[in-house]
Amino acid sequence: KAGVTQTPRYLIKTRGQQVTLSCSPISGHRSVSWYQQTPGQGLQFLFEYFSETQRNKGNFPGRFSGRQFSNSRSEMNVSTLELGDSALYLCASSEPSTSGGYEQYFGPGTRLTVT
Amino acid sequence: AQSVTQPDIHITVSEGASLELRCNYSYGATPYLFWYVQSPGQGLQLLLKYFSGDTLVQGIKGFEAEFKRSQSSFNLRKPSVHWSDAAEYFCAVGLTDSWGKLQFGAGTQVVVTP
Repeated sequence: KAGVTQTPRYLIKTRGQQVTLSCSPISGHRSVSWYQQTPGQGLQFLFEYFSETQRNKGNFPGRFSGRQFSNSRSEMNVSTLELGDSALYLCASSEPSTSGGYEQYFGPGTRLTVT
Repeated sequence: AQSVTQPDIHITVSEGASLELRCNYSYGATPYLFWYVQSPGQGLQLLLKYFSGDTLVQGIKGFEAEFKRSQSSFNLRKPSVHWSDAAEYFCAVGLTDSWGKLQFGAGTQVVVTP
């Protein structure tokens, strides 16, 4: 199976602009989660979608939003970009494990730089 | 408050030596436990996981981890380190009732010397 893919891999934006990142999960996975990784804050959970519904949300401002499509692909949007939004944005997909839990598989990430 | 702690920010180990990375968590119930590895500029690769059952779990690349309920720990070990093991390692926990949301430790940077 192909892994999780994220596009674009690199992005440079200016403060005040908005950006949309895309994630295609592993085939058959219905859950997609998003994380932000920065040197100062580490890995932080943004939100999780399952079958087009947001089930969990992290502690981020409303400028961060997402959605999931019927084919499980997901997008996240950040509006009114701030310098502090510069980060590696990671997407992960998962399905329930036969042993009762779940395993998240991560994509390579999108490196966003805000200038 | 719920937390995941990796006490060691940076570890240097000689090639061929053993490696142990520590992880402690603070949660009301036993969560799902994971170890991930990240190479520079890359995403996270799942090394191993613990859901329930046998407390010693085997993973990929020769890694293993032991869950100790009494110590709220899930330490990662490798008997003999290879230069390619140089990377950053993250411990993560997931709640059984909050599927898809992982909380990560701060990470441990592993440097392997010849």
